[in-house]
Amino acid sequence: AQTVTQSQPEMSVQEAETVTLSCTYDTSENNYYLFWYKQPPSRQMILVIRQEAYKQQNATENRFSVNFQKAAKSFSLKISDSQLGDTAMYFCAFIPPTGANSKLTFGKGITLSVRP
Amino acid sequence: GAVVSQHPSWVICKSGTSVKIECRSLDFQATTMFWYRQFPKQSLMLMATSNEGSKATYEQGVEKDKFLINHASLTLSTLTVTSAHPEDSSFYICSASAGLAGDEQFFGPGTRLTVL
Repeated sequence: AQTVTQSQPEMSVQEAETVTLSCTYDTSENNYYLFWYKQPPSRQMILVIRQEAYKQQNATENRFSVNFQKAAKSFSLKISDSQLGDTAMYFCAFIPPTGANSKLTFGKGITLSVRP
Repeated sequence: GAVVSQHPSWVICKSGTSVKIECRSLDFQATTMFWYRQFPKQSLMLMATSNEGSKATYEQGVEKDKFLINHASLTLSTLTVTSAHPEDSSFYICSASAGLAGDEQFFGPGTRLTVL
């Protein structure tokens, strides 16, 4: 079974600064997908970034980038130039590529607060 | 990105009554839909996976007779909470997938259920 660990329950960052959210996972799979989801106060889940395990290049989406270390089973999210709208819960998630019924395994989440 | 809607967005009901929540994929055919439950400040807990025209697969510990799931078409899945009690009060989220390996799940905005 896969597990996803987010050990930091809360973090705070000053607006315009950079923050890194940590995530580790455990799996015996060689190919899989990793995600970071954002859940703002509206509670709508929003996909932030996606990484395919067979790709060595770290994914980036504008101000969001990941540091994917496959051997260490680490998948951290870096948010640059933090904005007030980044305040949200962030969930790291894993999914194996076994087909339509593949289930997402979520971490416990981290609450990020961006201070003005 | 693809859009998933949920209806209602919030519902209050009396103990002992049944409540139906609808999840619709608006602009794509969802081979698979997932139902989650989320308590405040906690992660998403998968309740069940449903495929169009098939019986839902429930996660361990989820009462299938209490949480009835129907996936009647490629764009609609419903969750019925039968004989609801106050402990069923929670935030229910659905997601939909087009069914490709590692495919992104698109999340609905969630339904807040309060049972009095």
